[in-house]
This record gives sequence, structure tokens and C-alpha cells, in this order.
Amino acid sequence: GQNIDQPTEMTATEGAIVQINCTYQTSGFNGLFWYQQHAGEAPTFLSYNVLDGLEEKGRFSSFLSRSKGYSYLLLKELQMKDSASYLCAVRELTGGGNKLTFGTGTQLKVEL
Amino acid sequence: EAGVTQSPTHLIKTRGQQATLRCSPISGHTSVYWYQQALGLGLQFLLWYDEGEERNRGNFPPRFSGRQFPNYSSELNVNALELEDSALYLCASSGWTGKGYTFGSGTRLTVV
Repeated sequence: GQNIDQPTEMTATEGAIVQINCTYQTSGFNGLFWYQQHAGEAPTFLSYNVLDGLEEKGRFSSFLSRSKGYSYLLLKELQMKDSASYLCAVRELTGGGNKLTFGTGTQLKVEL
Repeated sequence: EAGVTQSPTHLIKTRGQQATLRCSPISGHTSVYWYQQALGLGLQFLLWYDEGEERNRGNFPPRFSGRQFPNYSSELNVNALELEDSALYLCASSGWTGKGYTFGSGTRLTVV
């Protein structure tokens, strides 16, 4: 089984940088995903890490440390439209396929 | 390329009734995943179908069931509806490369 923890809420200022952390425990790690979900909408894919290190994609970066069971999502130059829930999800080797287990999400509020 | 499509968008049922939710995956994707997202909660894994077979099942009672058709579309059935079944039901599909999911827009089920 898996246990995924991330903060419930965070608040940041427009133009600033925010880091959303995620810790996990799993018996067979096979990748970590970050999704963004605006209220009432479907989650959309942001990033994927399977090896240790930083993956950068525009204003968004994601970091993974498999030995520590830790990831973070870094959002730079925050915009109001970044206000959303950010979901950390882990894929396990056991259970098969592409099944993801999600954390409860971090609600990010961007203020002026 | 058409995305994952779900129908209906909204569904209102009374307690004890049955609900049927439908999902069409992205063309070429053989795997379909169903998740429940109750208000304020994270995505809870329901079912995974691949090549017409149920591959994995989450911690939900048997009244949650489904199937996958030869064209890879899928149906989720919820029998004997209870008030706490009210939630957003999300369908996602992935191809064999399995880098992640593409979600549909969801079906908002309300049980009154």
C-alpha cells in the first residue's frame, strides 16, 4: 500500500515562488506525478519524475528524491490563474499497469 | 486528437436507484481508470480496465461495478445509491507507454 502526504493549503503572492512538498511511502516505486486541478474541473498533467533530480518545464519544476520518499513542485512567477489544487500521485510496480494513487491535494491560493 | 469523453456531465438520482456513467478513452488507449472525488477529498481509485478485463479494484463495495467494451469505452455502474455516493466521478485513459493519465471532465453525481 501507499501513504502520500502533502500540505492541505498554501497561500502565496502573485509574482512569488512557492514550493509544494509531497512525501510518500510505497513498496515498489515506479514514478511520481503532479497534476493541477481547478475547482470543478478535471486534473491536468503537470510533471513526471521517475529518476532522482529536477525536471524543469517553464514556470513549473518538479524534484524527486527516491531515497527520501520526497518530491516537491516549484512554481515560479506565480499568476492568479495558478490558484488551484495540486495533486501528488505515485505509481507502484505492484498492482500493475499505470494505476496512480493520489494524495489529497494542496489547495494553493495566489493573492495580489 | 479527441480527449477522454464522459457522459453525462451531471446526474441526479434518488437514494436506492442505480446510476450508469460512461467513458470513451483517447483513441489508441486500451486502459481506463475510474476515480471518485468526493467534496473536499482526494481522488479515490475505483477500478482499472484494460483490454476488456478488470485488472484492479479499489476499496469500494461490490455495488460499484463496471465493464469495458471491445472498443475500449467503459461503463461504471453504481447500484443501490447512497447519499455519500455523491461525488465527481473521473475517468482517465492511458496508453501502453504509461507516462500518466489523461482525465475526462467527469460526471457530477448527486444522490438526493
